[in-house]
Amino acid sequence: AQTVTQSQPEMSVQEAETVTLSCTYDTSESDYYLFWYKQPPSRQMILVIRQEAYKQQNATENRFSVNFQKAAKSFSLKISDSQLGDAAMYFCAYRSSMYSGGGADGLTFGKGTHLIIQP
Amino acid sequence: GAVVSQHPSWVICKSGTSVKIECRSLDFQATTMFWYRQFPKQSLMLMATSNEGSKATYEQGVEKDKFLINHASLTLSTLTVTSAHPEDSSFYICSATEAGVTYNSPLHFGNGTRLTVT
Repeated sequence: AQTVTQSQPEMSVQEAETVTLSCTYDTSESDYYLFWYKQPPSRQMILVIRQEAYKQQNATENRFSVNFQKAAKSFSLKISDSQLGDAAMYFCAYRSSMYSGGGADGLTFGKGTHLIIQP
Repeated sequence: GAVVSQHPSWVICKSGTSVKIECRSLDFQATTMFWYRQFPKQSLMLMATSNEGSKATYEQGVEKDKFLINHASLTLSTLTVTSAHPEDSSFYICSATEAGVTYNSPLHFGNGTRLTVT
């Protein structure tokens, strides 16, 4: 079974600054997908960014980018120019590839990091 | 974009009664839906995978007789919490993937249902 670890229960950053949220995972699979989801107080899960394990290039979505280190099984999220609206819980998640033989697997989530934006 | 509607948003029920939660994909067909449970200030835990037209697959430790899942159509999955007890109080979230879409596609999440059992 796969596990996802987020070692930072809470992070705080000044508005307009940059913050990095860490995530490590454990798997024996070679092909998989990684996601970062944001959960604001409304509790709606919002996809922030995703990465295919077979792609070496790090994914980027506007102010959000990842540092994907496959050998180290690390998948950190960098938020640049932090905004007040970025305040939320951030969850790192893993999903097996269909080629891993697991069928239609759901996501395995880390425990989350509570991000606080200081005005 | 793909929308998943979950109903009700919140429900309060008495201990011993059953509660049904609906998860609908509004603008796409979903052969597979997933049910998660989230306790306060904790992560989402996968409870079961719901497959249209077949029995659900439950994660280890989840009682299938207590959490009944039905996926009768490509747009609707239901979760029924039977003989609810206060310890079943939690936030339940469903998610779905579009039929025929690849694995790197994100799961689309419903808004969740807050269940309180008194």
